[in-house]
Amino acid sequence: AQKITQTQPGMFVQEKEAVTLDCTYDTSDPSYGLFWYKQPSSGEMIFLIYQGSYDQQNATEGRYSLNFQKARKSANLVISASQLGDSAMYFCAMREMDAGGTSYGKLTFGQGTILTVHP
Amino acid sequence: NAGVTQTPKFQVLKTGQSMTLQCAQDMNHNSMYWYRQDPGMGLRLIYYSASEGTTDKGEVPNGYNVSRLNKREFSLRLESAAPSQTSVYFCASFKIGHTEAFFGQGTRLTVV
Repeated sequence: AQKITQTQPGMFVQEKEAVTLDCTYDTSDPSYGLFWYKQPSSGEMIFLIYQGSYDQQNATEGRYSLNFQKARKSANLVISASQLGDSAMYFCAMREMDAGGTSYGKLTFGQGTILTVHP
Repeated sequence: NAGVTQTPKFQVLKTGQSMTLQCAQDMNHNSMYWYRQDPGMGLRLIYYSASEGTTDKGEVPNGYNVSRLNKREFSLRLESAAPSQTSVYFCASFKIGHTEAFFGQGTRLTVV
């Protein structure tokens, strides 16, 4: 069974500094995808970044980068130059293929990390 | 293009009442999901439908049923609501080959 673990319930960072949010996963599926979502206090789920299990390079999207270490089964999110608006809950998630390999199966989320950016 | 639409946005139920949460997507996505999110917690998978005509249990299926009515619609039913089902419910959808799951705005359900 797949599992996502986020061990940091809360993180604090000074504005303009970088911060790393940890995520480890466990799956027996050779084809999987890893995601990070942001959930501000308003409640909506905002997609940040995606990494496929066969991607050779780490994904980057603007100030977000995903530090993918396949052998260690980790997919940490790095936010560079933090902004006050980055204060939110952050979720790591993983999807696997369904048994037939033609659709996506489970999409499982971690417990989340609350990030607070201080001015 | 509305994306993923959930109805209703808010609902208060009495213990023992039943209701159906509706979810529809207009993006021709194959896979659809229902989650619940309790205060300060992550999203826990209730049920999912990998493709039209199939449904599978997730992490917390007890007390819920689902129907994948067609490719667009995936409904979640509470047959006899309990206070423990007070939560925010999210529907999501995904298309193979895409790198983003799209979420609805959520349904805030309170069972008294």
